[in-house]
Amino acid sequence: GENVEQHPSTLSVQEGDSAVIKCTYSDSASNYFPWYKQELGKGPQLIIDIRSNVGEKKDQRIAVTLNKTAKHFSLHITETQPEDSAVYFCAASQGGTSYGKLTFGQGTILTVHP
Amino acid sequence: ETGVTQTPRHLVMGMTNKKSLKCEQHLGHNAMYWYKQSAKKPLELMFVYSLEERVENNSVPSRFSPECPNSSHLFLHLHTLQPEDSALYLCASSPEKTGGTDTQYFGPGTRLTVL
Repeated sequence: GENVEQHPSTLSVQEGDSAVIKCTYSDSASNYFPWYKQELGKGPQLIIDIRSNVGEKKDQRIAVTLNKTAKHFSLHITETQPEDSAVYFCAASQGGTSYGKLTFGQGTILTVHP
Repeated sequence: ETGVTQTPRHLVMGMTNKKSLKCEQHLGHNAMYWYKQSAKKPLELMFVYSLEERVENNSVPSRFSPECPNSSHLFLHLHTLQPEDSALYLCASSPEKTGGTDTQYFGPGTRLTVL
């Protein structure tokens, strides 16, 4: 089955700096890669996603890049703010089913210091 | 917020109790999911229901019993649990329109503690 590795497990940055979280996946058939943000006491919420026919996607301060050959994808947050502090999860979908079948990474605890 | 609600938000139960977790989605989605989130471990998919039919059961012990009476409601019935079952249980739903690449929308979770 699919295996997703996520690094780093914790990341501490100063407000205004950039943050980068990286994930690798094992199943070359995976074709959908969402990123979720989980704040304390809440469920994960989608912040951005990318599909295998696209190499990069941006949404304001957030961007995701995908390298299918190397089987890795990354989340980039620019101009970080304290409210960006949360746990971030990457995931990969194996596809082949009508419903979603996501495999998640272990999560990254991002702390943005004012 | 996300259109997926879960009750109760917190639950403490003994190993001999029977309890149920409830999930409701107000998004008109066709697929619903149960995940287990333990400390320092990735989210683990437990069950998937597609159009009220169970389509995935990821080797979950029989002390967890899901039920999906309609496409808007999902239950997780619990009995004779173990302390290691203590975790955050998350429900999610998705539209099922793009062949497995739909966004999944999560509820806030139920924090379960087994004594």
